[in-house]
Amino acid sequence: NAGVTQTPKFQVLKTGQSMTLQCAQDMNHNSMYWYRQDPGMGLRLIYYSASEGTTDKGEVPNGYNVSRLNKREFSLRLESAAPSQTSVYFCASTSSGGGDTQYFGPGTRLTVL
Amino acid sequence: AQSVTQLGSHVSVSEGALVLLRCNYSSSVPPYLFWYVQYPNQGLQLLLKYTSAATLVKGINGFEAEFKKSETSFHLTKPSAHMSDAAEYFCAVSDLPGASKIIFGSGTRLSIRP
Repeated sequence: NAGVTQTPKFQVLKTGQSMTLQCAQDMNHNSMYWYRQDPGMGLRLIYYSASEGTTDKGEVPNGYNVSRLNKREFSLRLESAAPSQTSVYFCASTSSGGGDTQYFGPGTRLTVL
Repeated sequence: AQSVTQLGSHVSVSEGALVLLRCNYSSSVPPYLFWYVQYPNQGLQLLLKYTSAATLVKGINGFEAEFKKSETSFHLTKPSAHMSDAAEYFCAVSDLPGASKIIFGSGTRLSIRP
């Protein structure tokens, strides 16, 4: 039981390049999330998927797109990376939201030059 | 709209001393409240959560938190700090049973002095 896995762990991009961050969970959870973590700002929600087949914007969606490929997988795409997207990205999942515990992946450290 | 405020971005205590990390929330309905901990270079993991049962919630590693509705607070405490408690701590709130979103505070970094 691996929990929530993320790939890659580290990535360096040049401005304008694109990439996809992958996330998978093996806990049969319905809801999945993408956050970014910046110093002094806590975690900010980028996008979430309450259930398979649905996605919704969070607090900071600009510059990102997501795909809920199936119940297990939720990917985050940067179409044209900008230095402002330098951050640590975390994927999380939960059974149904609300009072349920969110389980986090180990994170992806992204640097955009 | 729900929100969370963590007072103090950095708290330093001596080993063996009381740990107190402060969290105040804003919610229009009875909330669900959480404390998560993040060790260096790792993801977040749940310490404890309040979901309208007992107001004093016990979590892992000797931490506990008390829900005080009148003060809209959910402060995290531990009687005696250990070096291994050094980490960043996040308070979070969700106010709907079926909601998918929770809102995180900005975090408090806890340092332990030998």
